[in-house]
Amino acid sequence: DQQVKQNSPSLSVQEGRISILNCDYTNSMFDYFLWYKKYPAEGPTFLISISSIKDKNEDGRFTVFLNKSAKHLSLHIVPSQPGDSAVYFCAASEPGGSQGNLIFGKGTKLSVKP
Amino acid sequence: EAGVAQSPRYKIIEKRQSVAFWCNPISGHATLYWYQQILGQGPKLLIQFQNNGVVDDSQLPKDRFSAERLKGVDSTLKIQPAKLEDSAVYLCASSLVVLGGETQYFGPGTRLLVL
Repeated sequence: DQQVKQNSPSLSVQEGRISILNCDYTNSMFDYFLWYKKYPAEGPTFLISISSIKDKNEDGRFTVFLNKSAKHLSLHIVPSQPGDSAVYFCAASEPGGSQGNLIFGKGTKLSVKP
Repeated sequence: EAGVAQSPRYKIIEKRQSVAFWCNPISGHATLYWYQQILGQGPKLLIQFQNNGVVDDSQLPKDRFSAERLKGVDSTLKIQPAKLEDSAVYLCASSLVVLGGETQYFGPGTRLLVL
C-alpha cells in the first residue's frame, strides 16, 4: 500500500506559466514533507520542504502548500522555465524510531516547453 | 563542499553473480542511507546507518543483501547472489543527523543491470 502518491506521471506546461505538482499521503502521522528534483543519470536533489506545523513554505519560484485535513500537498513553480524539466518526487518523513526514513512517491515528470 | 560520491556508476552482471557498491557521504554527515530505485518507482530505503551502527534495516533482503559502515564514514552495499529483480539504481544519501525532517543529500547512484 502506497503511503505517498503522485497520481500524475507526467505534466507539460508552457514556459512562463505555473506548474502545479500534486502529492497525496495516507499516513496522518507524517510530520515533514520534502520535494526532490531528479535529472536523468543524477541523484535526487533537494528542492524544498515543509513541516506539518506550517501550511506554506516559499523559496524563490518554488512554493509548497500543505493541506493536512486533505492529506495533500502541492508544489507550485512560477514562472516555469525549461531548466525545470525533470522528475519531481514528493517524500514524507516517517514518524517513530526511524525518523530519517523518507517515503517517496513514484514521481511526476515535468516538461516545460519553450 | 564535495557531495555524496558513489562508485561504480554502472554495473552489468549475470544473475547469481555478486556485486558491491561503494558510497562516501558528505564530510561530517553522521547518517548514511542506501535506497533502491526501480524504474518507474520512487526510491525505497534499504538500510540506514547512524555513524557505524544500523538504525533501520527492516526493508533489506538480508538473505542476499548486506551493508557495512565499519568506520562510520564510507559504506559498501553488497548483493550476493544477484537476481533479475535487483536491476535498479542504488542511491546513497547522507544527512547531518537523524532527527526527522533532516534533509538528505543524494549521490548520483549506481545503475545495476542483472542479466
